Amino acid sequence: DQQVKQNSPSLSVQEGRISILNCDYTNSMFDYFLWYKKYPAEGPTFLISISSIKDKNEDGRFTVFLNKSAKHLSLHIVPSQPGDSAVYFCAASPSFNAGGTSYGKLTFGQGTILTVHP
Amino acid sequence: EAQVTQNPRYLITVTGKKLTVTCSQNMNHEYMSWYRQDPGLGLRQIYYSMNVEVTDKGDVPEGYKVSRKEKRNFPLILESPSPNQTSLYFCASSLLPGTKSYEQYFGPGTRLTVT
Repeated sequence: DQQVKQNSPSLSVQEGRISILNCDYTNSMFDYFLWYKKYPAEGPTFLISISSIKDKNEDGRFTVFLNKSAKHLSLHIVPSQPGDSAVYFCAASPSFNAGGTSYGKLTFGQGTILTVHP
Repeated sequence: EAQVTQNPRYLITVTGKKLTVTCSQNMNHEYMSWYRQDPGLGLRQIYYSMNVEVTDKGDVPEGYKVSRKEKRNFPLILESPSPNQTSLYFCASSLLPGTKSYEQYFGPGTRLTVT
């Protein structure tokens, strides 16, 4: 049961254009969402996060949008640069107030390979 | 330098031979976690720990053990490795979930092959 899904295995964009990476989730207990970037032969690195009390969070060229009713989040990269070429993972965490120990679990999507062409 | 270290980085072993992958962090983080990455499946959580002597199962704990005797260390133990545990493993640490900065720092990964 894949609770966090990234339905696009890959995305190719031109340098300078917008990259939009999508993520869907099914568990309504998720209320904190993160995006990670991963280069080959390295561990994932944190990119940006959003709490369910917000619908948008921006950090430089990166913006994450959250649509709770649709259980959908997206990462926008504007403008895209060749150095952004990597695998992008979205991840979700249950509510801190959910109780029990489940709030320590972090569920990742399958990842989307982004290629930005010069 | 703030970092998460894992050892070994690469390991080839045979079925049934017990092994331990070490993980250490120098950021005084309470939370530590192990993941495995497999093609098409993304990162799946194996075990996590909220603090010393507090551990819990993630989504794929079968065949693995962990311990958290010290805050900085979180070793992953495979008592009897099998070929389906061939994977890329990542250790991560962070402040506790629910704090402002719940962003995990990942180690460089351990490539394990079980023949």
